Order: sequence, then C-alpha cells, then structure tokens
Amino acid sequence: EPEVTQTPSHQVTQMGQEVILRCVPISNHLYFYWYRQILGQKVEFLVSFYNNEISEKSEIFDDQFSVERPDGSNFTLKIRSTKLEDSAMYFCASDGSGVLPNSPLHFGNGTRLTVT
Amino acid sequence: AQSVAQPEDQVNVAEGNPLTVKCTYSVSGNPYLFWYVQYPNRGLQFLLKYITGDNLVKGSYGFEAEFNKSQTSFHLKKPSALVSDSALYFCAVRDRISSGSARQLTFGSGTQLTVLP
Repeated sequence: EPEVTQTPSHQVTQMGQEVILRCVPISNHLYFYWYRQILGQKVEFLVSFYNNEISEKSEIFDDQFSVERPDGSNFTLKIRSTKLEDSAMYFCASDGSGVLPNSPLHFGNGTRLTVT
Repeated sequence: AQSVAQPEDQVNVAEGNPLTVKCTYSVSGNPYLFWYVQYPNRGLQFLLKYITGDNLVKGSYGFEAEFNKSQTSFHLKKPSALVSDSALYFCAVRDRISSGSARQLTFGSGTQLTVLP
C-alpha cells in the first residue's frame, strides 16, 4: 500500500536556525497538509496545499512558516527562525483525488523537531 | 467552524470486554467523520469513516463506530478489546460543505485507550 514518507524522523536544531522538513506524499494525491502535535497532545492543522498554492492555513502558520512543492514528488515545510515552542512532532498528510471531500487523510510517521 | 470533542482523556478496559471511546462533533452542515489511531512514535492510521448511509460503520481491526445525528456523536466501539488495541485514538470531522480545496480535518484532543490483560 502506498505510504506518505517523511524525513528526517528526528531533527534537532538551535533556536533561531532554519529547518526544512520533507515529505513525499502518495503519488496520485492532489491535496497536501502539514499538521503538528505537541507531546502527544492534540493534532493541530497548520496548512493545506492544492494546485501549487496554499488553500488554507491556521493561526499557527505565521510568517515564519512556508511550504513548497519544488518538484512533482516532494512537499516541504520550512521554519525560518525556529523558536523553542516550535518543538513538536510534525506530520505530513495527503488526500486522494476525489471531487468530494470524503476521503481520509493519509499521514506519514512524522518528524520530531526539537529546538534547543 | 467545525470542532470535535473527546470528553475522556483516558479509557481503561479489561481485555475481552467491550470498549467505547466517545466523540461529539459540531459542523455547519452535515459531517464527514473519521477515527484515527496513533501508536507510540508513529503517525495517525485511518480506522474508519462515516460518509452517508448506514449509521453503523465498520473499520479496521474489528472497530466500528455509530453515527448519531440527533446527539451529534460518533462513538468508537469494539465488542472485545485486545491488549494490542492500547493506543491514542483521535476523532476527526470535516464539514460536508467543504468546497474546493478546503478539505482539512479537525481533530479532537485524543483519548488514550489502555486495555489491561
């Protein structure tokens, strides 16, 4: 079964540094998402991406965050200047190609970001 | 706006007993409802969804969920729990009137299920 893959599995960075989290969504999916989860708590929506542009974003997704689909397979999340409170598990997800929004999201295993 | 409530942070059940994990939702229109399970250090795995039709939906690993429109609930159930079912369970909702690219799921806060041997 196709999977969403994320790299790296764990990223440690110093406060103020830039990080890029990488994802390869399922190949025939058209909708892409980033979510984050702080220490096994609620899964929070960050951003959705469709047709090479952001379709929705949450309040969390401020100017420090950006997303990109640089080629036909990768989907990246960049945090320009990390803060301690950015430490979390970041999940990439993708969604099927159906017209109706009734398909489940498929999640990767996540990247654990630790900001020191 | 759409929201999900999971009123129990923790549910403990003995192996072999039935389990229920509660979920209520709020959407503007009619909902699409989903359950996900998360094992330690893993991503969220899709269990089942309610789209339309029969209010009782069956999913992976013997789980099922009952949609109740009047109570705006979508409780997860399993007739006989296994120790291996111990995990974090998330309910999620998407408004059926989501149009275009506004398809993100809104998740509940999660319920830790512990099945005791």
